[in-house]
Amino acid sequence: GDQVKQSPSALSLQEGTNSALRCNFSIATTTVQWFLQNPRGSLMNLFYLVPGTKENGRLKSTFNSKESYSTLHIRDAQLEDSGTYFCAAEGTGNYKYVFGAGTRLKVIA
Amino acid sequence: AQTIHQWPVAEIKAVGSPLSLGCTIKGKSSPNLYWYWQATGGTLQQLFYSITVGQVESVVQLNLSASRPKDDQFILSTEKLLLSHSGFYLCAWSLTGVFYEQYFGPGTRLTVL
Repeated sequence: GDQVKQSPSALSLQEGTNSALRCNFSIATTTVQWFLQNPRGSLMNLFYLVPGTKENGRLKSTFNSKESYSTLHIRDAQLEDSGTYFCAAEGTGNYKYVFGAGTRLKVIA
Repeated sequence: AQTIHQWPVAEIKAVGSPLSLGCTIKGKSSPNLYWYWQATGGTLQQLFYSITVGQVESVVQLNLSASRPKDDQFILSTEKLLLSHSGFYLCAWSLTGVFYEQYFGPGTRLTVL
């Protein structure tokens, strides 16, 4: 099965609304990264998490290692938030990273 | 500031031909380096990592090889391309050691015909 299961796979949001993306891990995960990939393929770093919560503007992310999941909350969605969001799990210090399948987000006016 | 450069930006190659993709990191000494592959519409799959010059570890080979000839350079290559090699190749770096954030380059788009 998927080692990093990301949901939903796709999402359409009205501008100004809120949503949450989630990653569930079936592998031992020490840190989590969240990225946003634009249509040209560039990956933007959003968060790098050890267990806990971080916030940056309209984005907030939590990594719960005991329950093996991470969430990314988007508040007041804007058109520029559109793209594909990926989470990546880093395991037990072996330099190996496993990415989720991604959430394709489209924000509509 | 650190910069990461990948070359070429895009490549169209014939099945069976050789391939060499490059990645250079400037402004950071002895980084960890990584190669990833992404099929169109797919997720990122880690291929290789390197924690020091001359040392490369394979995660998933996909009939590709990698080398780190200099501290700031990472090369991905194959002698014989397959159709399945088409996709987007991304190089990334992180600080020396474990549990550091990864930063990605702009990528190389490869089409194999």
